[in-house]
Amino acid sequence: GAGVSQTPSNKVTEKGKYVELRCDPISGHTALYWYRQSLGQGPEFLIYFQGTGAADDSGLPNDRFFAVRPEGSVSTLKIQRTERGDSAVYLCASSPTRAGKETQYFGPGTRLLVL
Amino acid sequence: SQQGEEDPQALSIQEGENATMNCSYKTSINNLQWYRQNSGRGLVHLILIRSNEREKHSGRLRVTLDTSKKSSSLLITASRAADTASYFCATGQGGSEKLVFGKGTKLTVNP
Repeated sequence: GAGVSQTPSNKVTEKGKYVELRCDPISGHTALYWYRQSLGQGPEFLIYFQGTGAADDSGLPNDRFFAVRPEGSVSTLKIQRTERGDSAVYLCASSPTRAGKETQYFGPGTRLLVL
Repeated sequence: SQQGEEDPQALSIQEGENATMNCSYKTSINNLQWYRQNSGRGLVHLILIRSNEREKHSGRLRVTLDTSKKSSSLLITASRAADTASYFCATGQGGSEKLVFGKGTKLTVNP
């Protein structure tokens, strides 16, 4: 079956611009996560959705970052007024039920470069 | 912040040799998972070991977990050039739903 997909694969933007990153989870998975991975580091948690609601957004670095999942499937991570420090690979993952207890399945990521 | 610490940071071996990577963590966990990542993109899940398990096998992979020492090891036997990748441990903790990753071990298997 289809895995987690993310679009775009790569995004280059200018400092100060707004970007949207999309994640399509595995069909039927209720849990969805966003992580950010900087060069040479492991992924760092941003936000977790259970269904349509953000159950844990403690990893969002500041109020420029926002994510939605309006119908409980596709999710969009939105970054306002991008900064060069936002450059990273943004990874999305999904799991069938509650995480921390189940395997998370990752997408290929979106590589964001802020010039 | 990252909890897990993989050791070593980098490992280079010859094809056919075994590769051992270690992971240490700081808090109590529900489970520990190992992932592989090629070329800095998507992570592939390798194996999950629960906090009440001590050892688990999957093909050429063997994972151990010592909760008293808060450590885990991943052994890849009879390594292949295709095993070249970065390997990360990740912990699921308490009531939290997120995974906390280490910085990873970069494994190079030379043909």
